[in-house]
Amino acid sequence: GAGVSQSPSNKVTEKGKDVELRCDPISGHTALYWYRQSLGQGLEFLIYFQGNSAPDKSGLPSDRFSAERTGGSVSTLTIQRTQQEDSAVYLCASSPGQGWGNEKLFFGSGTQLSVL
Amino acid sequence: QKEVEQNSGPLSVPEGAIASLNCTYSDRVSQSFFWYRQYSGKSPELIMSIYSNGDKEDGRFTAQLNKASQYVSLLIRDSQPSDSATYLCAGGSSGTYKYIFGTGTRLKVLA
Repeated sequence: GAGVSQSPSNKVTEKGKDVELRCDPISGHTALYWYRQSLGQGLEFLIYFQGNSAPDKSGLPSDRFSAERTGGSVSTLTIQRTQQEDSAVYLCASSPGQGWGNEKLFFGSGTQLSVL
Repeated sequence: QKEVEQNSGPLSVPEGAIASLNCTYSDRVSQSFFWYRQYSGKSPELIMSIYSNGDKEDGRFTAQLNKASQYVSLLIRDSQPSDSATYLCAGGSSGTYKYIFGTGTRLKVLA
């Protein structure tokens, strides 16, 4: 697609429920990132993928968080047993994946997650 | 020390003035540096990248990198009200594709 697409744009859920957030990166981009941004805060790194592999999962806050990527394209971030502190904007970004730490990130419009 | 640090602001400057935004980083962030602009309720968008010591100019924007002092700055000349946004500094983490972001500096340009 023309840009990074994320869905849903907004998700309201009850504490304890599971949620799935989807990211469709720019076609041909092999690197895909998930970040979390709480109100008034910077971007907190969660995980990145190179192709279907996740070389760095160091930012996932707990084992309730998991992510996968299939076909080197779409990625899903799953949060199990959601808690109120999970409320944030979840941003996905992609980049061509050709350079070590020197590429522009293209961000999607984010998913606003609210846990009641 | 946080890996990438920024003053949260707000930084208020009058229209037409130079806005100076600063960022410091730790040894774990050493590859390359980026400035992203984020309007309220929107996603970050890249405005400048810099990889080498010195200055890099692009229109009204100048990025400055000083690796010895571990800081990177962004100057916005002839600031406009439309420049009012949060500016995020980001660094590439050594040996990985990981990018570390600062918490951002909120800039307000007063008309």
